[in-house]
Amino acid sequence: GENVEQHPSTLSVQEGDSAVIKCTYSDSASNYFPWYKQELGKGPQLIIDIRSNVGEKKDQRIAVTLNKTAKHFSLHITETQPEDSAVYFCAASITGGATNKLIFGTGTLLAVQP
Amino acid sequence: DAGVTQSPTHLIKTRGQQVTLRCSPISGHKSVSWYQQVLGQGPQFIFQYYEKEERGRGNFPDRFSARQFPNYSSELNVNALLLGDSALYLCASRQQGRSSNSPLHFGNGTRLTVT
Repeated sequence: GENVEQHPSTLSVQEGDSAVIKCTYSDSASNYFPWYKQELGKGPQLIIDIRSNVGEKKDQRIAVTLNKTAKHFSLHITETQPEDSAVYFCAASITGGATNKLIFGTGTLLAVQP
Repeated sequence: DAGVTQSPTHLIKTRGQQVTLRCSPISGHKSVSWYQQVLGQGPQFIFQYYEKEERGRGNFPDRFSARQFPNYSSELNVNALLLGDSALYLCASRQQGRSSNSPLHFGNGTRLTVT
């Protein structure tokens, strides 16, 4: 069935360093890959997304890469700051139909040490 | 602009009881989805509604039901509560255009505890 694996489960970096979170999806028909940031007591907040016709997308300190052949996609955060500390989730879905359910990974707890 | 709003924020119920959770989507969004997030895991899809019709259902028992109203708000109902239903219930909305490629925006959820 549909599955998204996410690694690592926890990640600790020093302020200013880069952080990389990797995900693998199982359904080759997936064509939309969002990333969410979830802070304690809040719902997931969309931070960046990428579609299957694009290999890379960047928004300031955040970038996402997609390798459709390998069914891998990754989140890169550069120049990390303490406020980047949160749980990050990757997700995959198949758009174009009436139902666009997201299949989420298990999350990565990112801790940025000042 | 107001985001997705959910009520109540917290709820405590006992086993066997029934619960109703409420959601108001972002203004202009016609599609509402419900997700269950158990502690330490990613959200799992429960339902999607668009124009008051169910457009998708996840792998949840019939104790879970939902509906969408003419103003696009939505309710999630869970009957005969079990301890395992304790979770954060998230509502999300999107503009459901023809391409259906618009992003999904989440509310802050309702924390349900079943004792």
